Amino acid sequence: GDSVTQMEGPVTLSEEAFLTINCTYTATGYPSLFWYVQYPGEGLQLLLKATKADDKGSNKGFEATYRKETTSFHLEKGSVQVSDSAVYFCALSGGGSNYKLTFGKGTLLTVNP
Amino acid sequence: DAGITQSPRHKVTETGTPVTLRCHQTENHRYMYWYRQDPGHGLRLIHYSYGVKDTDKGEVSDGYSVSRSKTEDFLLTLESATSSQTSVYFCAISEAGADGTQYFGPGTRLLVL
Repeated sequence: GDSVTQMEGPVTLSEEAFLTINCTYTATGYPSLFWYVQYPGEGLQLLLKATKADDKGSNKGFEATYRKETTSFHLEKGSVQVSDSAVYFCALSGGGSNYKLTFGKGTLLTVNP
Repeated sequence: DAGITQSPRHKVTETGTPVTLRCHQTENHRYMYWYRQDPGHGLRLIHYSYGVKDTDKGEVSDGYSVSRSKTEDFLLTLESATSSQTSVYFCAISEAGADGTQYFGPGTRLLVL
């Protein structure tokens, strides 16, 4: 079945550092890929997505490229801020008739001033 | 933000009592989902619905039941709550024919004593 593996962290960075959170997946067919972010005490918010190979999703300075050859969707940001401190989830949708999402276990990011 | 509300937002109950959580959407999306979030497990799908009165099990459905009598409401019932069901519960919605993107509610924090 479908699965997602991401860096478990926690990841601690200083403000303005470069961020990478690795995500790899296993899926049949051509899944859509997502990054969600969860701030403390809140629900998950869609951060970015990509629906086909070589697509790049981007939002709020974050980027991720759908790499079919390496089955990866790594999240990157060039310069993190304290306000980026949150839990980040990689997920995939295998399509089909129910649009279920399969999530990684999440990566806690803490950014210190 | 997607119009999704969950009630109650916090609940404390005792082992053996029934509990019902409600998810309400104003987006008229066809698909609705219930997840639980626990440390070390990420998000796990409990049940989902693909239309009024159409539901199916997810990966952790034991001890839970759901009902959907209207497009906008999806109820999750713990028939006889146990301490292992202490968790944060999230509802999500998705539009048919889309790329699998799900939008999440704010969550319900449930403590079973």
